[in-house]
Amino acid sequence: SQTIHQWPATLVQPVGSPLSLECTVEGTSNPNLYWYRQAAGRGLQLLFYSVGIGQISSEVPQNLSASRPQDRQFILSSKKLLLSDSGFYLCAWSETGDSGFQPQHFGDGTRLSIL
Amino acid sequence: GDSVTQMEGPVTLSEEAFLTINCTYTATGYPSLFWYVQYPGEGLQLLLKATKADDKGSNKGFEATYRKETTSFHLEKGSVQVSDSAVYFCALRSYNFNKFYFGSGTKLNVKP
Repeated sequence: SQTIHQWPATLVQPVGSPLSLECTVEGTSNPNLYWYRQAAGRGLQLLFYSVGIGQISSEVPQNLSASRPQDRQFILSSKKLLLSDSGFYLCAWSETGDSGFQPQHFGDGTRLSIL
Repeated sequence: GDSVTQMEGPVTLSEEAFLTINCTYTATGYPSLFWYVQYPGEGLQLLLKATKADDKGSNKGFEATYRKETTSFHLEKGSVQVSDSAVYFCALRSYNFNKFYFGSGTKLNVKP
């Protein structure tokens, strides 16, 4: 069966520091991969998605970036964090080539607090 | 563009009450529709899905029917429990298959 792992679960960082959040998927190949941010008590904001290695689509201009160095690995990064980057970050995956019937599957999330 | 609108919360019910959370969508083509549930501090879990008109998704006593004529996918449960307290998200998978659109979420509080 497929599993998705996100880490770390919780992170406290000072303003201006760098960021690296990692997400890996097991049990499937060539998945679509996604990064979302969820502000407290709010809905989901799609940040990036990827349909293959090295293919990244950015949805919202910001100081975050994403990379996909391997088929099942998706990394969210920042060179200098802002206070507004605080939130709950969720990684998700979905099948490709399934004619659009399958759902997304989410990781457990990373709670990021910027001080 | 594609979008999902769901009723604002919070919704507060007593245990064993009937639940309805409204969801309507705008989409090109024939999207697949989903309901997800999020418990505090956790990621989203798939609750149920429907992939074509008149399909009924069901799971754990929850149901939703894909109504193409009213572009709706309302979530219902006949008798809620305290353990159903969570945030519920309605979502669609877009025509190009790669993107998903989520509603803003509805928080459900069930009191004993």
